[in-house]
Amino acid sequence: DIQMTQSPSSLSASVGDRVTITCRASQSISTYLNWYQQRPGKAPKFLIYAASRLQSGVPSRFSGSGSGTDFTLTITSLQPEDFATYYCQHSGSFSWTFGQGTKVEIK
Amino acid sequence: QVQLQESGPGLVKPSQTLSLTCTVSGGSIRSGSYYWSWIRQPAGKGLEWIGRIYPSGSTHYNPSLESRVTISVDMSKNQFSLKLSSVAAADTAVYYCARVLNSDDGGADYWGQGTLVTVSS
Repeated sequence: DIQMTQSPSSLSASVGDRVTITCRASQSISTYLNWYQQRPGKAPKFLIYAASRLQSGVPSRFSGSGSGTDFTLTITSLQPEDFATYYCQHSGSFSWTFGQGTKVEIK
Repeated sequence: QVQLQESGPGLVKPSQTLSLTCTVSGGSIRSGSYYWSWIRQPAGKGLEWIGRIYPSGSTHYNPSLESRVTISVDMSKNQFSLKLSSVAAADTAVYYCARVLNSDDGGADYWGQGTLVTVSS
């Protein structure tokens, strides 16, 4: 099975900061990589698909990049509503796997 | 606007079968453009994919749960269901149903609100 590893597990940042989260796959997954945001007590929200394509309605301050085994989610100019946990997810096989999550907290 | 709603018992005894239903509104479960998934999340932990079902009835399951999981679809009610047998405390979690675009890079674009299932005697 393909394993997804996110780093860091958590980070503290301030409103207006640029934040980068990394996701690494245990083997090449091309660009079959999605990103989700989950606020406390809520269902995950779909942010990015195919590593870099923004889901409809998602603010342009979110962006994704990468291919193969290494991927990043970047939030430029962090907003109060962006404090949440972010998950990467491999989509290109019969079995999905999620990263363990990265919690973005207020500094 | 597509909406998904999970329903089922919030408390299940150990060794029994957990049964949940996801009712889809605002869209047809028959659409070949999508398939339907179950995902769970223990308290304070990450997301775990349980499995998926296509409108054709074809299924794929998480290998770690495959021996205990059955996902089915009821086109007439626009619902799909999850059964997880021989549950234990480790199966206590919030269970989500979700719609997924039927492509290799598809993600879960609509989710239910989630339902907490506790396994306890």
